[in-house]
Amino acid sequence: DIQLTQSPSTLSASVGDRVTITCRASQSVSSWLAWYQQKPGKAPKLLIYEASRLESGVPSRFSGSGSGTEFTLTISSLQPDDFATYYCQQYSSFPLTFGGGTKAEIK
Amino acid sequence: QVQLVQSGAEVREPGASVKVSCKASGYTFSTYGITWMRQAPGHGLEWMGWISTYNGDIKYAQNFQGRVIMTTDTSTSTAYVELGRLRSDDTAVYFCARSLGPGSYVGYWGQGTLVTVSS
Repeated sequence: DIQLTQSPSTLSASVGDRVTITCRASQSVSSWLAWYQQKPGKAPKLLIYEASRLESGVPSRFSGSGSGTEFTLTISSLQPDDFATYYCQQYSSFPLTFGGGTKAEIK
Repeated sequence: QVQLVQSGAEVREPGASVKVSCKASGYTFSTYGITWMRQAPGHGLEWMGWISTYNGDIKYAQNFQGRVIMTTDTSTSTAYVELGRLRSDDTAVYFCARSLGPGSYVGYWGQGTLVTVSS
């Protein structure tokens, strides 16, 4: 199975900060990587697919980059609605796997 | 609008089975498959498998082989996941989600169904 390691596991930031979350894969997943946002008690929401493609309706302050084994999710200016947990997911090979999550907290 | 509405919370004893439903609306059911995932309390997400709503093709995660059955009812646009021989570590929120294929990201999600396994 492909392991996805996210860092940091928790980040403390202020509104307006630029935030970057990293996802490292144990082997290459090409560009078959997605990012999701999850708020407590809710289902995850798709933000990014194919490493860098923004899902329709997602604010442009979210962006994704990377390929192979190293990926980043960047929020250019953190907004109050962005305090949540973020997960990466690889869909390059079975079983599909998720990272352990990064919780964005208010500083 | 696209909606996936799941059945309500369930409580089962160890060794029993549970069946969760996921009713789709707002799109043509047979044009997207259904992926099932789960999330144990305070933990991350685990992919369980995928079923085609077009021809019934199935891809199960190895971890669930022999214990899980995924089905669909195209007449009601509903997908089902049944998990048997339940253990306490099967306690989780179970999610259905719409996806193009077995090896695909997921777009629209159901609201989740809490399954509690306890004696």
